[in-house]
Amino acid sequence: NAGVTQTPKFRVLKTGQSMTLLCAQDMNHEYMYWYRQDPGMGLRLIHYSVGEGTTAKGEVPDGYNVSRLKKQNFLLGLESAAPSQTSVYFCASSYSSGGGDMNTEAFFGQGTRLTVV
Amino acid sequence: GNSVTQMEGPVTLSEEAFLTINCTYTATGYPSLFWYVQYPGEGLQLLLKATKADDKGSNKGFEATYRKETTSFHLEKGSVQVSDSAVYFCALSDLRGGGNKLTFGTGTQLKVEL
Repeated sequence: NAGVTQTPKFRVLKTGQSMTLLCAQDMNHEYMYWYRQDPGMGLRLIHYSVGEGTTAKGEVPDGYNVSRLKKQNFLLGLESAAPSQTSVYFCASSYSSGGGDMNTEAFFGQGTRLTVV
Repeated sequence: GNSVTQMEGPVTLSEEAFLTINCTYTATGYPSLFWYVQYPGEGLQLLLKATKADDKGSNKGFEATYRKETTSFHLEKGSVQVSDSAVYFCALSDLRGGGNKLTFGTGTQLKVEL
């Protein structure tokens, strides 16, 4: 059982380049999230999805786009990378409780360390 | 908006020492509260949670009680081990709009020495 898998694990980009980070989960979870982790700031939500074909903005969405064409995948795109986007990116997923306790556990991937030079 | 404040680290303890990591929050309504742990080179894992006031979450010897009157959710463990060395994040949930979106504190690094 792989859980949440992120690719790539490391990447160095030049300013202005574009890239896509892939997140895949095999737990049939409805909800998926992208966070970024920066020193002294904890994790901040970039975008999230409550189901296939839906996406919504989080706390820090500027400079990023996302897509959820398949339930198991959630893609994070950087169209024109900037040094301020140097960070560690985490994908997470969680399931719908179907009316029970809505505070279901989030399962995280191992992260992607992105450096923009 | 929602926010979480937790004590600055790093925290260095000897094995078998008592651990407290403070966490306070600001939120509208009554969020659920969580502690997540991140071991070196890994993603975050849920350690424990509490969904309403006076609830106590517990797991692996760690405990935290949801205190609405002081808006706090301090993490405690009576006797830490070297294997507890990790970064600990306090978080609260936001269920508006669907999903379980988390607001995290800055994280507290714990190092336990023999």
